[in-house]
Amino acid sequence: DTAVSQTPKYLVTQMGNDKSIKCEQNLGHDTMYWYKQDSKKFLKIMFSYNNKELIINETVPNRFSPKSPDKAHLNLHINSLELGDSAVYFCASSQMTGTGGYTFGSGTRLTVV
Amino acid sequence: QKEVEQDPGPLSVPEGAIVSLNCTYSNSAFQYFMWYRQYSRKGPELLMYTYSSGNKEDGRFTAQVDKSSKYISLFIRDSQPSDSATYLCAMITLTGANSKLTFGKGITLSVRP
Repeated sequence: DTAVSQTPKYLVTQMGNDKSIKCEQNLGHDTMYWYKQDSKKFLKIMFSYNNKELIINETVPNRFSPKSPDKAHLNLHINSLELGDSAVYFCASSQMTGTGGYTFGSGTRLTVV
Repeated sequence: QKEVEQDPGPLSVPEGAIVSLNCTYSNSAFQYFMWYRQYSRKGPELLMYTYSSGNKEDGRFTAQVDKSSKYISLFIRDSQPSDSATYLCAMITLTGANSKLTFGKGITLSVRP
């Protein structure tokens, strides 16, 4: 049973389009996150949500808007896609404090052409 | 200066070698220290975590933390080709009950048969 699942796994789209990535966790965790991994494999946090409430927003452009309909789901919508948005986006979840570690999904590889 | 600095790679060792992976950090607010392993085209998976200075052992893996020097290490004994992956150190800050996990840049390890 997949703990943190993301869809789609691959996304190729043109500049200027709007796209969404979905994430679901079945671990019963309170908190969910979006991370971006660039071409140099550096993982950087974008957002965190605790029980549908936005906790962290790390100076991400307004074109990125997370939405959490319930604590098991955290979606990421990206407007007006740019070439620089090409990256792998990882969803993760944890118990509230996260001190036992975060569980990551397998990633969504976004390519903007 | 980044909050978490990780030794650059890549690193290539023969099977059976002892591997030492190192990170330093500058933020005294980091309280929990983790190592993640990431196989190609997969999400990071938690390998080990600790919160105190000293050593923690799990099979062939030993995590070492020195808070006074702001230095953490991961040792892999009797390395195997299946250990070939990217290893990321990561550290948690807590704000109330909310956490933020910050990663190092990662080092790619290759274990040659």
